[in-house]
Amino acid sequence: QVQVVESGGGVVQAGRSLRLSCEASGFTFSGHVMHWVRQAPGKGLEWLAGISRDGTITYHGESEKGRFIISRDNSKNTLFLQMNTLRTEDTAVYYCVRQSTVEGAFDVWGPGAMVSVSS
Amino acid sequence: QAGLTQPPSVSRDLGQTATLTCTGNSNNVGYQGAAWLQQHQGRPPRLLSYRNNDRPSGISERFSASRSENTASLTITGLQAEDEADYYCSAWDGSLGGWLFGGGTKLTVL
Repeated sequence: QVQVVESGGGVVQAGRSLRLSCEASGFTFSGHVMHWVRQAPGKGLEWLAGISRDGTITYHGESEKGRFIISRDNSKNTLFLQMNTLRTEDTAVYYCVRQSTVEGAFDVWGPGAMVSVSS
Repeated sequence: QAGLTQPPSVSRDLGQTATLTCTGNSNNVGYQGAAWLQQHQGRPPRLLSYRNNDRPSGISERFSASRSENTASLTITGLQAEDEADYYCSAWDGSLGGWLFGGGTKLTVL
């Protein structure tokens, strides 16, 4: 079935880096724009970054621009999020999200990867 | 001001109708509409409605979306206990060049 599954979450010290991965299956990965969205404990959703189908165009939310880098490997059906210089306020569940091909909406969500940044 | 505004909470009785709103501006909601997502506690969000107000396959007809200028609305009829959840709107902002989410509305079914 159509699904995306995140991995790479965990506990990390502030100032360190972490890379999340998202493996897609059940659909043509290269045919979809992909995104990362996060949700801090008890808070709402925050869009972080998106990447074009071929990976040549990326766009990032203003708040984390420069620290978080999105990329993809279509040969491995995998999406990545490189997170640098992590802060305690980056503690959140990080979701890998597929954008639908029509009427751009976030139509497939992974179960999420928890990232906890300790001081 | 950038951002999508949703009321923090709405409460309705079982069987009644709830209408949730999402207010943006001409660069986002007014530009290409808003999609709606439902999130139950401890679960990832689920798409309820595309920006053109169509429902994905498998979504109940009790959920319907609409838009008037810069405000999008999600109407849920015949409220059931399982509808108690957080609801988010999302929209592309052509001025910012990025996606926005509303702050979310917590729907309580009494």
